[in-house]
Amino acid sequence: DAKTTQPPSMDCAEGRAANLPCNHSTISGNEYVYWYRQIHSQGPQYIIHGLKNNETNEMASLIITEDRKSSTLILPHATLRDTAVYYCIVRVAGVGGNTPLVFGKGTRLSVIA
Amino acid sequence: EPEVTQTPSHQVTQMGQEVILRCVPISNHLYFYWYRQILGQKVEFLVSFYNNEISEKSEIFDDQFSVERPDGSNFTLKIRSTKLEDSAMYFCASSTVRHEQYFGPGTRLTVT
Repeated sequence: DAKTTQPPSMDCAEGRAANLPCNHSTISGNEYVYWYRQIHSQGPQYIIHGLKNNETNEMASLIITEDRKSSTLILPHATLRDTAVYYCIVRVAGVGGNTPLVFGKGTRLSVIA
Repeated sequence: EPEVTQTPSHQVTQMGQEVILRCVPISNHLYFYWYRQILGQKVEFLVSFYNNEISEKSEIFDDQFSVERPDGSNFTLKIRSTKLEDSAMYFCASSTVRHEQYFGPGTRLTVT
């Protein structure tokens, strides 16, 4: 079972920041937080991951609380193409670690014009 | 940008028939995976594959399923005798040693 809790749905106005929360209160010290999204029925798309520091890439920012029990994915300027289901996943990763991704139900983000 | 490809995009088969779903992972990746998603449900892990053998499999991946990397590029999922409940989107994914998995566009399998 997924070790994360996410709201089932959220709306965001186009051009505004979308802040997607995730609770992972039982996360272990060697587990990373990953975010993926799935647009319609396409294959899931990797967005970003982090261990304990905040991370930023060209798609999004990931803010992880100091106690690592929750995180927030930020899409700084949401567009209609960001409408998707967003999954927060915790997973051990490392050399030799090819552990599978365990998907929950995610958050359905609707970006509204 | 390199990507995972899957064929066919849609496969229709009759119950009891064998199907083979094909995937071409990203060329320098070492780990390969199959996931499935029944319509309206969560993405579920089936199997992971590394160094020409299964690394891990879920309880869904029973004796009716098998995987193979027949050459240096393809990665296949075979379902020996399909059932109605095998109807789903099947996603192949690949990764390097550490982190993100890259998913293909999926094959929609319809069993009639």
